[in-house]
Amino acid sequence: SSELTQDPAVSVALGQTVRITCQGDSLRGYYASWYQQKPGQAPILVMYGKNDRPSGIPDRFSGSDSGNTASLTITGAQAEDEADYYCNSRDSSGNHRFGGGTKLTVL
Amino acid sequence: QLQLQESGPGLVKSSETLSLTCTVSGGSINSSTYFWGWIRQPPGKGLEWIGNIYYTGGTYYNPSLRSRITISVDTSKNHFSLKLTSVTATDTAVYYCARCYSGSSSHFDYWGQGTLVTVSS
Repeated sequence: SSELTQDPAVSVALGQTVRITCQGDSLRGYYASWYQQKPGQAPILVMYGKNDRPSGIPDRFSGSDSGNTASLTITGAQAEDEADYYCNSRDSSGNHRFGGGTKLTVL
Repeated sequence: QLQLQESGPGLVKSSETLSLTCTVSGGSINSSTYFWGWIRQPPGKGLEWIGNIYYTGGTYYNPSLRSRITISVDTSKNHFSLKLTSVTATDTAVYYCARCYSGSSSHFDYWGQGTLVTVSS
């Protein structure tokens, strides 16, 4: 399947660690990228490649992958991390796909 | 700093063609490293990749939309465009343009602010 599957919702206590996962066959050959989207705003890239963060993204964000699963980990979640998170990957045909998104709540 | 800006009608009638343009500033669209893409988001829903274009005009389209979409590039104007034909209410969405690195670590690193297109009956 070319789909990317994410848990619809995840919650984390303030200051704790949370992992957001993304599953799909394309992830066996291509890295996932991760996007944070807050209400009314455009998505922003927070992670890509093996574990690459764009400039300006806090180092509490990290990425990993294993088999057909990619993960975005936030170590020491902050209130401002509450947002929707989407994974994305390409496939061998050059097509891209987004996961359904995970709504992160920071308690 | 690279910037992308979507422009086009915010209201399109059902069965007609949606046309949007993304103007790139602060950098050249003539890049051998990047593609240029369109992504949309229906109200309250997730992101959907529409398609990508290379500066030479090569394209990749979402298979589910392929029959209705055309993405083109005008390097002289440093912009690229989207046409979506035979629109229905399900095409109502915020449409984003973005720059895409499409190697093994593909990612969309710069995004426009998005433009809401509403399909009316």
